[in-house]
Amino acid sequence: DGGITQSPKYLFRKEGQNVTLSCEQNLNHDAMYWYRQDPGQGLRLIYYSQIVNDFQKGDIAEGYSVSREKKESFPLTVTSAQKNPTAFYLCASSIRGDNTEAFFGQGTRLTVV
Amino acid sequence: AQKITQTQPGMFVQEKEAVTLDCTYDTSDPSYGLFWYKQPSSGEMIFLIYQGSYDQQNATEGRYSLNFQKARKSANLVISASQLGDSAMYFCAMREGGTDKLIFGTGTRLQVFP
Repeated sequence: DGGITQSPKYLFRKEGQNVTLSCEQNLNHDAMYWYRQDPGQGLRLIYYSQIVNDFQKGDIAEGYSVSREKKESFPLTVTSAQKNPTAFYLCASSIRGDNTEAFFGQGTRLTVV
Repeated sequence: AQKITQTQPGMFVQEKEAVTLDCTYDTSDPSYGLFWYKQPSSGEMIFLIYQGSYDQQNATEGRYSLNFQKARKSANLVISASQLGDSAMYFCAMREGGTDKLIFGTGTRLQVFP
């Protein structure tokens, strides 16, 4: 079945450590996105990518980094520079240049301990 | 700059009644798409309906319809015959055709009561 897979579902991190969240899709989509969601809040765009080897900062990119070496994969690294990383992270993908819906993964809940 | 605004943090509706969730947007790109998603307490994002900036008619999908008023830059979601299972967070979103940048509003929490 086609879809987007985020792993892990739950992640615990010690303060000061970098952590990488995985996002893989087999929908052959060019565009991919990372969002952060805090409790009771909306989705805020961290980074997005329209094509392999290219990505753009979203509205809250500070303290995060991404790579897009393969079309299927768009991992997000939460660095130690992110002051408040505890949140729910959602990855999405869509067809590029076409206004069709984005498909979402099930999310990763990151907690700093 | 691209912007999405949802001014209703929470809404209540009685079962079987209709409800309208508000959404306004701003963009300088003449080509854009407007979306509504539902997020139950499980956290998954469920796509509901889409409206293109050049579409002449309002989009409809079953009990969902989108009241698109381009001149007013509004894209309100109408849910008819509400059901208890409609209780969830609802997000309005916009994607600009030129950049593929997809942004979301802050959401509206809808609660349906018997």
